[in-house]
Amino acid sequence: AQSVTQLDSQVPVFEEAPVELRCNYSSSVSVYLFWYVQYPNQGLQLLLKYLSGSTLVKGINGFEAEFNKSQTSFHLRKPSVHISDTAEYFCAVSDLSGSARQLTFGSGTQLTVLP
Amino acid sequence: NAGVTQTPKFRILKIGQSMTLQCTQDMNHNYMYWYRQDPGMGLKLIYYSVGAGITDKGEVPNGYNVSRSTTEDFPLRLELAAPSQTSVYFCASSSGTSGGPSEQYFGPGTRLTVT
Repeated sequence: AQSVTQLDSQVPVFEEAPVELRCNYSSSVSVYLFWYVQYPNQGLQLLLKYLSGSTLVKGINGFEAEFNKSQTSFHLRKPSVHISDTAEYFCAVSDLSGSARQLTFGSGTQLTVLP
Repeated sequence: NAGVTQTPKFRILKIGQSMTLQCTQDMNHNYMYWYRQDPGMGLKLIYYSVGAGITDKGEVPNGYNVSRSTTEDFPLRLELAAPSQTSVYFCASSSGTSGGPSEQYFGPGTRLTVT
């Protein structure tokens, strides 16, 4: 079984400041990792994903994440946030042991960008 | 492409009533999923399907049923609504190609209240 822990439920940050949203996972097999974003009253959209290769992954809207296998982490970063980045962010993990490529989600981090 | 569409957007049910949440995708995806999202809990998988005629239980299937008669449609049925089923429900789909998990595309959600 796998699980995902998002260490911060809420992260307030001022506009143009850097931000890091933390994600740790546990799994007994190799995993694939995702970050999704949910804007108010909308469904989830994919920000970025790690399947293999370079451990630094770049996504949309200037976000990036680094896969650290030894620390079982996949933290999301952005060097300078905008008001429009205010949203809830979900880390998710998947492995190939299931037939349906199921995702296990963390509990989410609410990022609030303050003017 | 409309992507993944869900109806209705909102619904209030009385305890013991039944309803069907509709989900349709126009991307010819094989895999479809139903999640529920409760505050602070992330998304939990209710049921999933790997193709027409094939469905299976996820993490929290009790109180729900699904069917998949076509590639496009994946309705979720609540037979005897209970207050514990008050939640936001998301449908998602993915192509499920081999070689690794593919992106899941989410619908806008159905907000259900059971009183």
